[in-house]
Amino acid sequence: GQNIDQPTEMTATEGAIVQINCTYQTSGFNGLFWYQQHAGEAPTFLSYNVLDGLEEKGRFSSFLSRSKGYSYLLLKELQMKDSASYLCAVKDSNYQLIWGAGTKLIIKP
Amino acid sequence: TAGITQAPTSQILAAGRSMTLRCTQDMRHNAMYWYRQDLGLGLRLIHYSNTAGTTGKGEVPDGYSVSRANTDDFPLTLASAVPSQTSVYFCASRTGGENTGELFFGEGSRLTVL
Repeated sequence: GQNIDQPTEMTATEGAIVQINCTYQTSGFNGLFWYQQHAGEAPTFLSYNVLDGLEEKGRFSSFLSRSKGYSYLLLKELQMKDSASYLCAVKDSNYQLIWGAGTKLIIKP
Repeated sequence: TAGITQAPTSQILAAGRSMTLRCTQDMRHNAMYWYRQDLGLGLRLIHYSNTAGTTGKGEVPDGYSVSRANTDDFPLTLASAVPSQTSVYFCASRTGGENTGELFFGEGSRLTVL
C-alpha cells in the first residue's frame, strides 16, 4: 500500500527552529508538496520538491531525499502565526496525490 | 480575486436526504478536485475532473457524484446522505502541468449528517 508518515503533533517556542519530517512509501514518485493549514481554513501551498536537495523560501525550507523516501520542512524564526497543521503530499506514478494526515504545530511564547 | 468559492459553508443534513455542494472557480483551471478531510486522516480524493466534460473516480467515490458542464463549476452531490459522510469537504483546482501544479483550495464545506 501507499502511505505517508508524519508526526501527529509538535510543540516549539516562538523564535526557535522546528523541523517537521515526512517519510513516504508510494508507487513511483513525481514530486512532494508541503501545504499549511490553519485551523478551520483551507490548505495553502508552501513548497514543491522533485529533485534531491534543499529548497529555501524565506523562513521556510523543504528538503528531499528520494533514495530515503524522506522529506522535511524547516521553519526558522518561528512566529505565533506559524501555529497550524502542515500537510505532506506525494504525487505517485499515476500523478495522484497521496496525503499524510498532517502535523499540528503548536507555538508557545 | 475570488479564486475558489464553495457553498454552503456548513450544513446539517438528515440521513437519507440529498445535498449538492457547490464549487466555482474563476481562475480558468482545467483540473478540479473534491476531497474530504476527517480527523486523523489525510485528505482523501472523492472525484476529480481533468477538463470540462470529463470526470473520474478518486479514492472514496461511493455515495457521491459529480458533473463538469463547464470549466468554472464542479458540484458534488450526495444522493442519499449517511452519517459516515459527516466531514469537511474541500474543492480544489490545479494550475500548471501534471508534474508541478499546486492546488488551490476553497474554504471548505462542513457537513454533518444526522
